[in-house]
Amino acid sequence: KAGVTQTPRYLIKTRGQQVTLSCSPISGHRSVSWYQQTPGQGLQFLFEYFSETQRNKGNFPGRFSGRQFSNSRSEMNVSTLELGDSALYLCASRGGTDTQYFGPGTRLTVL
Amino acid sequence: AQSVTQLDSQVPVFEEAPVELRCNYSSSVSVYLFWYVQYPNQGLQLLLKYLSGSTLVKGINGFEAEFNKSQTSFHLRKPSVHISDTAEYFCAVSSNFGNEKLTFGTGTRLTIIP
Repeated sequence: KAGVTQTPRYLIKTRGQQVTLSCSPISGHRSVSWYQQTPGQGLQFLFEYFSETQRNKGNFPGRFSGRQFSNSRSEMNVSTLELGDSALYLCASRGGTDTQYFGPGTRLTVL
Repeated sequence: AQSVTQLDSQVPVFEEAPVELRCNYSSSVSVYLFWYVQYPNQGLQLLLKYLSGSTLVKGINGFEAEFNKSQTSFHLRKPSVHISDTAEYFCAVSSNFGNEKLTFGTGTRLTIIP
């Protein structure tokens, strides 16, 4: 089985722009979660989607949003980028077990 | 609310020596516990997990962990480390009542000294 894939792997944007990151879960997995990893704050939960519905949300501003499609692929969007949004964004998918499997991440740099 | 404390931010160990990475958690409900490893410029890879049953859990790459409910700990151990074990290790907890949110510790950077 193919693992979780994330595109793009690297991204450079400037302040004020918006960005969309994509995540394709493991085949058959219906839950997709997003995490932000920074040196200062560590790994923080952004949100989780299941069957196209957001089930859980972390403590992030409304500039961070996401969605999930009928094929379970998910996108997250960050609008009005700030320097502090520079991070590794990780996507994880979960099937019938309680284990989340992570993708390689998208490294976003905001200049 | 749940929280995870990884007591050591960095652990240097000589090659072929044993290692223990410490993890303590706090939760008001029953939990699932996980250890993940992150190699440079990569995502997180699951090492092992505790969901229920035997408190000694064996994972990949020769790692094991023991769940201790009374001490709220889930320490990771390996009897003999290799250079390839150099990485960052994260302990994580989630509620076992369907909460899919993982709460992570701050990580322990394991450095193997040849």
